[in-house]
Amino acid sequence: GENVEQHPSTLSVQEGDSAVIKCTYSDSASNYFPWYKQELGKRPQLIIDIRSNVGEKKDQRIAVTLNKTAKHFSLHITETQPEDSAVYFCAASIGRGSTLGRLYFGRGTQLTVWP
Amino acid sequence: NAGVTQTPKFQVLKTGQSMTLQCAQDMNHNSMYWYRQDPGMGLRLIYYSASEGTTDKGEVPNGYNVSRLNKREFSLRLESAAPSQTSVYFCASTRLAGENEQFFGPGTRLTVL
Repeated sequence: GENVEQHPSTLSVQEGDSAVIKCTYSDSASNYFPWYKQELGKRPQLIIDIRSNVGEKKDQRIAVTLNKTAKHFSLHITETQPEDSAVYFCAASIGRGSTLGRLYFGRGTQLTVWP
Repeated sequence: NAGVTQTPKFQVLKTGQSMTLQCAQDMNHNSMYWYRQDPGMGLRLIYYSASEGTTDKGEVPNGYNVSRLNKREFSLRLESAAPSQTSVYFCASTRLAGENEQFFGPGTRLTVL
């Protein structure tokens, strides 16, 4: 199956700075890469996703980049705010076969934004 | 729409007791999933149901069973709870396996003493 590695496990930034979280995946058949945000005690919620036919996607202060050759993708948050503090999970999904639709998650990054 | 709902929100069991975690969705989704979340381990898939009438094992199925009761409901059963099953359990659903965006329920926090 797929193996997703996520770094760093913790990240502290000053309000207004940028934050970058990186993930790698192992299976070249993976074609969908979502990012979830989980606030303390809450459920994970999708914040942005990218498919393998796209190299970059942006939504206001959040962007995701994908390098299929190197099998890595990254989440970029600009102009961070205290409300961005949460755990962020990357995931990958294989687009064919018996595991179609399953998400394989990274272990998460605890982002703390200091005011 | 309530989205994905789970019951109970909290549960404390003694070792060896059994219980069933309930999950329901009202979004007419075809695929449903059960995950467990442990500190530092991310979300690990226990079982999933790609469509009504089918279930498959995920990464960590040992000690669990599931039932896809109908299109709306997907339950997770612990037959003989162990302290290693202390965790937060999330149910999720997606319209079609391969559509990929998964919507999560609020979670069940389970403690096994």
